[in-house]
Amino acid sequence: DADVTQTPRNRITKTGKRIMLECSQTKGHDRMYWYRQDPGLGLRLIYYSFDVKDINKGEISDGYSVSRQAQAKFSLSLESAIPNQTALYFCATRGGNTEAFFGQGTRLTVV
Amino acid sequence: GENVEQHPSTLSVQEGDSAVIKCTYSDSASNYFPWYKQELGKGPQLIIDIRSNVGEKKDQRIAVTLNKTAKHFSLHITETQPEDSAVYFCAASGGYGGATNKLIFGTGTLLAVQP
Repeated sequence: DADVTQTPRNRITKTGKRIMLECSQTKGHDRMYWYRQDPGLGLRLIYYSFDVKDINKGEISDGYSVSRQAQAKFSLSLESAIPNQTALYFCATRGGNTEAFFGQGTRLTVV
Repeated sequence: GENVEQHPSTLSVQEGDSAVIKCTYSDSASNYFPWYKQELGKGPQLIIDIRSNVGEKKDQRIAVTLNKTAKHFSLHITETQPEDSAVYFCAASGGYGGATNKLIFGTGTLLAVQP
């Protein structure tokens, strides 16, 4: 089993719909991150969390929200999806100021 | 906040040649600089990293150099092989307080190794 698991792997949704992307990890790490990948723009940080009581905005948090349900689970929500949120989304975990481990990604298309 | 710039955005080399990718960072308090390789359809994976107390680190055909004064760090791949073809990302983290929890990435370099 993968250390960092994202569900779903692919999703097509309509404009205005609420959608949740889920991430779970078996690494035992305290830090979890959500990134968005767009061609030419690299990986941009949406939200990050140090523990279940710590949630921080990243570079591009507008239009997104997160929930850290447990140390191992960190979900990303789009309250009202819009087409420019079409992207590849990655969850990552870290045990400290060290290597990050990424999930396989969720390809989201908003039509 | 931290900003990481990466160049070039695309790089094409002949098999056996060397490849160099360069990054600059803005936060002088950053102290950890990893490089990730992303293959098609997969998440990024760490290939090498360096901390601010070291100027250079090597792992077989891969090396990373860090110039703290200039806030530059570079990835060097020697004797490139077709399987090195991928997207490479640099990143930076560290700093004061909550900033130590961030990991900020560059915009990526698409490396193509021609057989």
